[in-house]
Amino acid sequence: EPEVTQTPSHQVTQMGQEVILRCVPISNHLYFYWYRQILGQKVEFLVSFYNNEISEKSEIFDDQFSVERPDGSNFTLKIRSTKLEDSAMYFCASASSAGGPRGTQYFGPGTRLTVL
Amino acid sequence: RKEVEQDPGPFNVPEGATVAFNCTYSNSASQSFFWYRQDCRKEPKLLMSVYSSGNEDGRFTAQLNRASQYISLLIRDSKLSDSATYLCVVNWRANNLFFGTGTRLTVIP
Repeated sequence: EPEVTQTPSHQVTQMGQEVILRCVPISNHLYFYWYRQILGQKVEFLVSFYNNEISEKSEIFDDQFSVERPDGSNFTLKIRSTKLEDSAMYFCASASSAGGPRGTQYFGPGTRLTVL
Repeated sequence: RKEVEQDPGPFNVPEGATVAFNCTYSNSASQSFFWYRQDCRKEPKLLMSVYSSGNEDGRFTAQLNRASQYISLLIRDSKLSDSATYLCVVNWRANNLFFGTGTRLTVIP
């Protein structure tokens, strides 16, 4: 069964450093998402992406964040200058449609980001 | 406010028990509703979508009341493998998902 993959599984970085989290969505999907989950808290929407541009973004997704689909398979989240409060699990998700039964989002296993 | 509220739990139930989770949502424009389950330190996995007419999948039954903005999940004949956190999820604009904080279920032998 096709699945979303994410690398790395765990990233440790120093405050102020840039990190890039990578995702490979399911191959025929067109809608891509990033979510994050701070330890012990709920999953929070960050950004949605379709047709090579951002569709929606939350208040969390400030100028320090960016997303890109650099080729036909990868979808990346970049944090330019990490802060301690960016420590969280970051989940990528993809869907074949924007809604309805085909809009079901499938989540990757996540990247645990630890900012020291 | 875009909020999804759930029973805080935790629920500790014996094997074979029936357990029900409730959820309310604040955005009356939401169109899609889901229950996901999340195992410890893992990704959310879709358990079932929730339809207006209610729907059942084996031991799991979901109900939606749009007028009350209320969603429920019923698990019958609980198994040890049902132990997880159950997330009530509602869409906002487009297909962006908003998650509740989850209700933790532990099924005891």
